[in-house]
Amino acid sequence: KQEVTQIPAALSVPEGENLVLNCSFTDSAIYNLQWFRQDPGKGLTSLLLIQSSQREQTSGRLNASLDKSSGRSTLYIAASQPGDSATYLCAAGAGSYQLTFGKGTKLSVIP
Amino acid sequence: GAGVSQTPSNKVTEKGKYVELRCDPISGHTALYWYRQSLGQGPEFLIYFQGTGAADDSGLPNDRFFAVRPEGSVSTLKIQRTERGDSAVYLCASSLSGGQSYEQYFGPGTRLTVT
Repeated sequence: KQEVTQIPAALSVPEGENLVLNCSFTDSAIYNLQWFRQDPGKGLTSLLLIQSSQREQTSGRLNASLDKSSGRSTLYIAASQPGDSATYLCAAGAGSYQLTFGKGTKLSVIP
Repeated sequence: GAGVSQTPSNKVTEKGKYVELRCDPISGHTALYWYRQSLGQGPEFLIYFQGTGAADDSGLPNDRFFAVRPEGSVSTLKIQRTERGDSAVYLCASSLSGGQSYEQYFGPGTRLTVT
């Protein structure tokens, strides 16, 4: 059974810092890995999707990498802003394309 | 265009009652997923539809839970004899098709509270 772990559970940084969120998964037989953002009381917003054949994806200030062999993904956020404060979830896609989620990293960017 | 919508946004029901939760996927998306998110946890998979059929219902916790998608668009998640442990946010997602290349897009969720 696939298990996804995200470290740290919570992170607080001053505005302007670059930061890295970590995600690990136990079964490397994944189709893709997706990063989401969740604001309090809201649904999930898709940030980046990395196919199993890819190493990384970029969107604006966000860069996500994937290393299937080691079972790891990272989300890099450049020049963080208070508006980036949210919970970030990673999810591994496998099987019937269902996603297995981690518990998330709660990010607070302090002005 | 319109995203995934879910109704109601909040539902409070008494233990033992029956509830229905509705999901309207993005137009043209053939794949639809239901997930459940408990407080402080990531979403957990419940069921996946490709078109009208349930391609994978391995995440449904027991036979009190059932979902349909009769015309391949709107889906309804049905919970019988609700229990307090069913309280959670129920999320629906859709994708263009059920394949590894396709992103899943999530709705805002239905917060179910069983008293």
